Amino acid sequence: DTAVSQTPKYLVTQMGNDKSIKCEQNLGHDTMYWYKQDSKKFLKIMFSYNNKELIINETVPNRFSPKSPDKAHLNLHINSLELGDSAVYFCASSQVSRTDTQYFGPGTRLTVL
Amino acid sequence: AQSVTQLDSQVPVFEEAPVELRCNYSSSVSVYLFWYVQYPNQGLQLLLKYLSGSTLVKGINGFEAEFNKSQTSFHLRKPSVHISDTAEYFCAVSYRKTSYDKVIFGPGTSLSVIP
Repeated sequence: DTAVSQTPKYLVTQMGNDKSIKCEQNLGHDTMYWYKQDSKKFLKIMFSYNNKELIINETVPNRFSPKSPDKAHLNLHINSLELGDSAVYFCASSQVSRTDTQYFGPGTRLTVL
Repeated sequence: AQSVTQLDSQVPVFEEAPVELRCNYSSSVSVYLFWYVQYPNQGLQLLLKYLSGSTLVKGINGFEAEFNKSQTSFHLRKPSVHISDTAEYFCAVSYRKTSYDKVIFGPGTSLSVIP
């Protein structure tokens, strides 16, 4: 069973388009995250949700909007895509505590042309 | 402010040789420490973590790390590497920021094992 799944795995699109990435976890975790990994492998947190409530919103353009319909799902919608949005986006989940392991999805490679 | 430094961006090492990947952190509050590994085209997975107790922590795949509070370090070691250890390694710290928990990842170290 896949613990944290993301769809799609690859996403190629034109500048200016709107796209969504879906994430689901079956671990029963309370907290979910979105990370962006750039071409140099640097990993930066974008958002964190706890029980459908937004906890962390780093300095991310408001073109990015996370949506959590329930605590097992955290989707990422991106409006007006730009070249600089090209990256690998990872979803992750954990229990609430800061001592807990984060479980990562396989990533979605977004390429904006 | 909290930060994580991994001084070596790339570490080439011959198969069966020992390796040490360095991690230093800076924090004004107490932190918990993690090492994650990312194999090519995959997500990150936990290697090991230090929460409390013995400063020497053993993880999966023969890796271990030692927490040194005075040097604010958490270096990762393996006595004999395999080709399959080729991957990106990330050190991370977690801490309490006002009303929520936060994790910061280091910039990563790319380990290349040479046959």
